[in-house]
Amino acid sequence: TQLLEQSPQFLSIQEGENLTVYCNSSSVFSSLQWYRQEPGEGPVLLVTVVTGGEVKKLKRLTFQFGDARKDSSLHITAAQPGDTGLYLCAGGKTSGSRLTFGEGTQLTVNP
Amino acid sequence: DAGVIQSPRHEVTEMGQEVTLRCKPISGHDYLFWYRQTMMRGLELLIYFNNNVPIDDSGMPEDRFSAKMPNASFSTLKIQPSEPRDSAVYFCASSFRPLGLAGEGNEQFFGPGTRLTVL
Repeated sequence: TQLLEQSPQFLSIQEGENLTVYCNSSSVFSSLQWYRQEPGEGPVLLVTVVTGGEVKKLKRLTFQFGDARKDSSLHITAAQPGDTGLYLCAGGKTSGSRLTFGEGTQLTVNP
Repeated sequence: DAGVIQSPRHEVTEMGQEVTLRCKPISGHDYLFWYRQTMMRGLELLIYFNNNVPIDDSGMPEDRFSAKMPNASFSTLKIQPSEPRDSAVYFCASSFRPLGLAGEGNEQFFGPGTRLTVL
């Protein structure tokens, strides 16, 4: 079974702080996606990374795919209350469309 | 576009009853996915379809679960008989392209989910 482990599971910080969320696996993935989910809604895609070592930036969010394509990180600079939500990483293989999701990191940014 | 539409949004039923969840994917999307989310197990893929044909149903828990896609704009997930351990939020998602292809179009768009409670 391919497992994606996220850490930390819960994170509560103050507005303006920086944070990093990690997503690790023993398996190699052809792509790695990050989603954010808010209460009562489905996950929404933030980014897809496909190349080992790739770094993508989305405003204050920086995503990195590990060189070996087994791990990824999400860094948020100067967090804001609007960043609050459940952050999920998901790995995909070249063949098929099955996504394997991590358990998620519940982020709370306090004003 | 209205996005992925799911109904009902909430369902409360008693153990042993049949439950049917419904999904309308985004028009033009060839891939449809059914997921289940619980606190214990997170988000799990149950089954996905391509052009109305089931491709991977290895995530379907047991024979009590069945899914159909009679046409490109409608899919159902049925649980019969339902059990308390089936309580979860069930999501439907759709995409235009398969995940394995890089580039635009392989994003999965999720519906708002159906919160199922089996008493």
